[in-house]
Amino acid sequence: SQQGEEDPQALSIQEGENATMNCSYKTSINNLQWYRQNSGRGLVHLILIRSNEREKHSGRLRVTLDTSKKSSSLLITASRAADTASYFCATDGSFKTIFGAGTRLFVKA
Amino acid sequence: GAVVSQHPSWVICKSGTSVKIECRSLDFQATTMFWYRQFPKQSLMLMATSNEGSKATYEQGVEKDKFLINHASLTLSTLTVTSAHPEDSSFYICSAVAGGFASPLHFGNGTRLTVT
Repeated sequence: SQQGEEDPQALSIQEGENATMNCSYKTSINNLQWYRQNSGRGLVHLILIRSNEREKHSGRLRVTLDTSKKSSSLLITASRAADTASYFCATDGSFKTIFGAGTRLFVKA
Repeated sequence: GAVVSQHPSWVICKSGTSVKIECRSLDFQATTMFWYRQFPKQSLMLMATSNEGSKATYEQGVEKDKFLINHASLTLSTLTVTSAHPEDSSFYICSAVAGGFASPLHFGNGTRLTVT
């Protein structure tokens, strides 16, 4: 079974709004990563947060990690139409990366 | 840096034929590559871990005789779908790690396989 579960499954917002996606996982981790996938393409790595970190920023992205709740969130601020994609969290376990179910984000221009 | 090239990007084949998909790390050496399968609007399902110079490690439920993986060099892994059937139609994606375990994965752009 997949390690990470994300919600919402789908999110539709207006350009300029913020988008928040959540990820929950089941077992202990060393780090958690977020990836983006445009339709029909491979995944692009966005950000990695280690288990001893609580928050990390990269441009318009903000990731939080709560290891006590086994959850993480990805916030995209000031969204753009080009942010339309699927976003996946991924955790390391048993020497392999396991992906969550993903959130499909649609940003309306 | 850390570019992964996957070829072909799409392929259509007839039932019973075999299809080979290549995954190359262009600017780094990858001792380990991963093969995933993705159904529409779903997440990536890890099929197998490809190790250079040794046998691939398959996930539970993945037929090793059906999905042949060869990692002959530090920059190339291939996935061959043997005796393809319509139910094998899917999006196949490879990835490679440029650093140690838990380093970010670098993905190819995927291969859309359609078996008629």
